[in-house]
Amino acid sequence: EPEVTQTPSHQVTQMGQEVILRCVPISNHLYFYWYRQILGQKVEFLVSFYNNEISEKSEIFDDQFSVERPDGSNFTLKIRSTKLEDSAMYFCASTTFSGGARETQYFGPGTRLLVL
Amino acid sequence: GQQLNQSPQSMFIQEGEDVSMNCTSSSIFNTWLWYKQDPGEGPVLLIALYKAGELTSNGRLTAQFGITRKDSFLNISASIPSDVGIYFCAGQLRGNTGKLIFGQGTTLQVKP
Repeated sequence: EPEVTQTPSHQVTQMGQEVILRCVPISNHLYFYWYRQILGQKVEFLVSFYNNEISEKSEIFDDQFSVERPDGSNFTLKIRSTKLEDSAMYFCASTTFSGGARETQYFGPGTRLLVL
Repeated sequence: GQQLNQSPQSMFIQEGEDVSMNCTSSSIFNTWLWYKQDPGEGPVLLIALYKAGELTSNGRLTAQFGITRKDSFLNISASIPSDVGIYFCAGQLRGNTGKLIFGQGTTLQVKP
């Protein structure tokens, strides 16, 4: 069964450093998402991406965050200057989503980011 | 912003017991999803609901999409130790970009 993959599984970085989290969505999917989950809390939406542009972003997704689909398979989340409060599990998700049909959002295993 | 209120926050039950959890919102959702998350892993989809009133089963799991489109419940029958984990409801609003809004989660512990 196809699945969303993410790398790295864990990343430790110093405050102020840039990090890039990588995702490979399911191959025929068209919509891509990043979510984050601070330890012990609920999963929160960060950004959705379709047709090579951001379609929606949350208040969390400020100027320090960016997303990119550099080629036909990868989908990346970049944090330019990490803060302590960016420490969280980051999940990538993808779906075929056409606004009404029966699509399902599939999640990757996550990248645990720790900012020191 | 939209919020989902999920309850209970945690449950500690005996193996073999049935479990029920629910989510409510003041917003109308187009889709309700139930996910399970094991420690250190991503959410895994259990059941997806797309129509008001829909009742769907997946093995020992049953979920329903509320008639008002503002709530959903998940039942687990005859719980087993591997049911342990955190269960999240997630809703998808009509006409948006497909983003999911998650509940706070229900932590389930099963005593053998």
